[in-house]
Amino acid sequence: EIVLTQSPATLSLSPGERATLSCRASQSISSYLAWYQQKPGQAPRLLIYDASNRAAAIPARFSGSGSGTDFTLTISSLEPEDFAVYYCQQRSNWPWTFGQGTKVEIK
Amino acid sequence: EVQLVESGGGLVQPGGSLRLSCAASGFTFSSYAMSWVRQTPGKGLEWVSAISGSGGSTYYADSVKGRFTISRDNSKNTLYLQMNSLRAEDTAVYYCAKEPPGEWLFRGDFDYWGQGTLVTVSS
Repeated sequence: EIVLTQSPATLSLSPGERATLSCRASQSISSYLAWYQQKPGQAPRLLIYDASNRAAAIPARFSGSGSGTDFTLTISSLEPEDFAVYYCQQRSNWPWTFGQGTKVEIK
Repeated sequence: EVQLVESGGGLVQPGGSLRLSCAASGFTFSSYAMSWVRQTPGKGLEWVSAISGSGGSTYYADSVKGRFTISRDNSKNTLYLQMNSLRAEDTAVYYCAKEPPGEWLFRGDFDYWGQGTLVTVSS
């Protein structure tokens, strides 16, 4: 099973700051990585698929990069609604697996 | 508008059974693979099972293989998860999730999710 390790566990930032979230895979997953945002009491929402493609209606301040084993989600300038938990997920190998999440909190 | 509405969760004793349903609308249900994904505070998000659009192919996580069965009724636009021999560690919120369009039977990521249904396994 492919293990995804996200860092940091918690990111404390102010609105307007840049957020950089990391996801590392235990083996190469090419570009088969997605990023999701989850707010309390809500289901996850797809932000990025195939490492760098924004999903429909996702603002341009969200961007993804990476391939192989190292991936990054960047939020260029945090808006108040961006404070949430972010998960990465791989679809390269069965079983599909998720990272443990990074919480972006207001500093 | 795509909608996924889960139902069937609740409290069940260890060793018991439960069937979850997910009613889909707003898209051509039979054209898309679907999955069940669960979430616990301790283990985070865990993919549980997937089924192809026709229902002819299914996959399971090792943690539920032999105990859970995924199925779908494309005439009713409904996805199911039959859960047998339930254990305390199956306690979670269960989401049904739709895959985006893809050229293969399965893509493996999820563009729409239901609101989730809580399953609690406890005596």
